Amino acid sequence: DVKVTQSSRYLVKRTGEKVFLECVQDMDHENMFWYRQDPGLGLRLIYFSYDVKMKEKGDIPEGYSVSREKKERFSLILESASTNQTSMYLCASSPQRVNYEQYFGPGTRLTVT
Amino acid sequence: AQSVTQPDIHITVSEGASLELRCNYSYGATPYLFWYVQSPGQGLQLLLKYFSGDTLVQGIKGFEAEFKRSQSSFNLRKPSVHWSDAAEYFCAVGAGGNKLVFGAGTILRVKS
Repeated sequence: DVKVTQSSRYLVKRTGEKVFLECVQDMDHENMFWYRQDPGLGLRLIYFSYDVKMKEKGDIPEGYSVSREKKERFSLILESASTNQTSMYLCASSPQRVNYEQYFGPGTRLTVT
Repeated sequence: AQSVTQPDIHITVSEGASLELRCNYSYGATPYLFWYVQSPGQGLQLLLKYFSGDTLVQGIKGFEAEFKRSQSSFNLRKPSVHWSDAAEYFCAVGAGGNKLVFGAGTILRVKS
């Protein structure tokens, strides 16, 4: 089974802090994605990556950056957390072939106070 | 741009009753369509997918969905709902470059 793990299930940070959310997948997938999930808005794509050291902006990249130094790991960085970044963050991965099927981690619920 | 509409934010059904969750998409070509389920506190799990061929697709947990091109719809159905089906359901469409566009989700509540 594909396993996507996220470093924390719950995280509480203060406004202005730098926040790192880590995602690791164990299926040698080339593609990795970060979404945020908000009630009534579904999932919105923040950033994605097709390969190591590659990154592409999604629909809502403002206030976020990413890092992919190893194939299995994709990190989401909030340079200076703000209260409007309080949300559920979901990581996903998928293989190279274009079939769109993504495998999701359990999510990190981030609260910024 | 691709988009997905799930018209129902909440749906309540009685245990044992049938279920249909609606999904409409906007996409120019033949779409890749998905239904995911998210149980409370969990990530998303793939229920089923449509790429081509038979327009009625079977998924896990007794779910099925029917692709209707003329209506731009991909509705999810289950003949008899179980209490464990209470969750949030997301419809998604492939948006190029392995990206997915998700609907806003439908929260299913099951009455005993």
